[in-house]
Amino acid sequence: AQSVTQPDIHITVSEGASLELRCNYSYGATPYLFWYVQSPGQGLQLLLKYFSGDTLVQGIKGFEAEFKRSQSSFNLRKPSVHWSDAAEYFCAVGSGGTSYGKLTFGQGTILTVHP
Amino acid sequence: DGGITQSPKYLFRKEGQNVTLSCEQNLNHDAMYWYRQDPGQGLRLIYYSQIVNDFQKGDIAEGYSVSREKKESFPLTVTSAQKNPTAFYLCASSIIAGNQPQHFGDGTRLSIL
Repeated sequence: AQSVTQPDIHITVSEGASLELRCNYSYGATPYLFWYVQSPGQGLQLLLKYFSGDTLVQGIKGFEAEFKRSQSSFNLRKPSVHWSDAAEYFCAVGSGGTSYGKLTFGQGTILTVHP
Repeated sequence: DGGITQSPKYLFRKEGQNVTLSCEQNLNHDAMYWYRQDPGQGLRLIYYSQIVNDFQKGDIAEGYSVSREKKESFPLTVTSAQKNPTAFYLCASSIIAGNQPQHFGDGTRLSIL
């Protein structure tokens, strides 16, 4: 069965500092990987996705993620964090076969940004 | 604008009551999903549907029921059999082909009176 682990429950950074949120996945085949962001009381917004090809993926709001098959990782990065980036971030892996389209989510990482 | 509409935003349930959460999409997506979100547990799949009049149980279907009579609509009923229904419920939809990303509504927060 597929699974996603986000090792950091809560991360605090200063505004302007760089950010890396970790995501490790377990999946037997080539994974479909996603990062979503959620503001309090809201739904999830897609930041970026990886299906195949270039392992460095660019997303919205200045975010990028790098797929590393050897490490089963898909870490999210941003070079300079803004106060508006404070939110909860979810990594997810998509499945195929009879469960086509289903996503398995990590437990989320809450990002706090200090001024 | 195309999107997913969940209603109501807040819902209160008395003990022993069934309640129904609405989810409507105008994205012309074939697949729809219901998730439950609890603090520190991420999103857990309750039910999903890939086509009208067909749906499958997710990881935590006990105490919930769904229907898919129209492509645009996928209501979720939280029955009295669900012993811990207080949570944030999210509806999503997607194109099936190629593992396209899911699009989410803004959620319904259900609380027990």
